[in-house]
Amino acid sequence: GAGVSQSPRYKVAKRGQDVALRCDPISGHVSLFWYQQALGQGPEFLTYFQNEAQLDKSGLPSDRFFAERPEGSVSTLKIQRTQQEDSAVYLCASSLVESSYNEQFFGPGTRLTVL
Amino acid sequence: RKEVEQDPGPFNVPEGATVAFNCTYSNSASQSFFWYRQDCRKEPKLLMSVYSSGNEDGRFTAQLNRASQYISLLIRDSKLSDSATYLCVVNWRSGTYKYIFGTGTRLKVLA
Repeated sequence: GAGVSQSPRYKVAKRGQDVALRCDPISGHVSLFWYQQALGQGPEFLTYFQNEAQLDKSGLPSDRFFAERPEGSVSTLKIQRTQQEDSAVYLCASSLVESSYNEQFFGPGTRLTVL
Repeated sequence: RKEVEQDPGPFNVPEGATVAFNCTYSNSASQSFFWYRQDCRKEPKLLMSVYSSGNEDGRFTAQLNRASQYISLLIRDSKLSDSATYLCVVNWRSGTYKYIFGTGTRLKVLA
């Protein structure tokens, strides 16, 4: 595909349920980022991968959040025992290389609603 | 203090107006700067990078002031299609590269 894709686009979960969000970055992109965007806010950094290595997970809000990119392409963000405050749009972005000047290409996001 | 601050707006301007947004950042070691545009319920998309000498892309002009730690975006001759949220993004290296987004400034261009 031409761009970053994410699935599902919408997810409704009951409080306490586990969810898994998928990101397919642009083919060949080394860097992959996950962000959380609450309503009316800018994207907040969650975690960063360079190929399969998770180099920064300082933004993950709790140990209920876990991300992986085992083969250096597709990534999954997992949230265990979801809480209402986890409701947000989860955005994935990829860029070609790790550089401070590279454009990040965003996927359409997964809108998570926790009831 | 937030690392990247923007006036959330909304800025309501008539078509054809010139509008300017500012963004301040707190980390003096910041290396690169961007403006992203985000339409309602859509993903952010790069509008333009911001270079030290300032840069222009059609009706859009971006400026960087490192001494005062702010960047600006000027939109001339506003179009209805410019209505969106404009996100200021600052990048620095702290182990890995960190991209910090502002909360965004909402612009509504009125007919």
